[in-house]
Amino acid sequence: GEDVEQSLFLSVREGDSSVINCTYTDSSSTYLYWYKQEPGAGLQLLTYIFSNMDMKQDQRLTVLLNKKDKHLSLRIADTQTGDSAIYFCAESGGSYIPTFGRGTSLIVHP
Amino acid sequence: DAGVIQSPRHEVTEMGQEVTLRCKPISGHNSLFWYRQTMMRGLELLIYFNNNVPIDDSGMPEDRFSAKMPNASFSTLKIQPSEPRDSAVYFCASTFSSDTEAFFGQGTRLTVV
Repeated sequence: GEDVEQSLFLSVREGDSSVINCTYTDSSSTYLYWYKQEPGAGLQLLTYIFSNMDMKQDQRLTVLLNKKDKHLSLRIADTQTGDSAIYFCAESGGSYIPTFGRGTSLIVHP
Repeated sequence: DAGVIQSPRHEVTEMGQEVTLRCKPISGHNSLFWYRQTMMRGLELLIYFNNNVPIDDSGMPEDRFSAKMPNASFSTLKIQPSEPRDSAVYFCASTFSSDTEAFFGQGTRLTVV
């Protein structure tokens, strides 16, 4: 199986919360990331979490990490149409080379 | 800094032709990555340079692909000869080796017909 797995699509209504889930296999992962890719653009780092943390909050974004289950999630509160993009989960060990999932396309509809 | 700069943004070429993709990393960064993005395989790491030296090229698909980094401010990814299955978006990213964030360029969309 793949090192980092995430569902390919998520559709939500504007104003609702979005939760994007990710699982990874490398138990030695040091950092876990969420990147955002808008159409026609490169990836931009949204947020990251150290593997010794359970949760990180940054404005509308909440990252939850369950290290035992190797499960990472990104919650976007009050989702807006501008949040429509592809969201990539990634992990890296001490080498800081991120390994990416295939990305979740978030579609926000009115 | 203008960020990671890739050129060209779009490339359409015929099968069998040589293709060269270019990348200028962010000044001061010492690590550079080439990724390929396709619908089928997602984002794949092709090669990773540290201080201009290729560290891991295990992701390079085959001998038709080669990458160089002659100095800290420039890298190329070359495909010779190109094939239709090479059609993808190729991203370059750079970072300072102990930083957590990799900065991506806008990508080069390659179409081989």
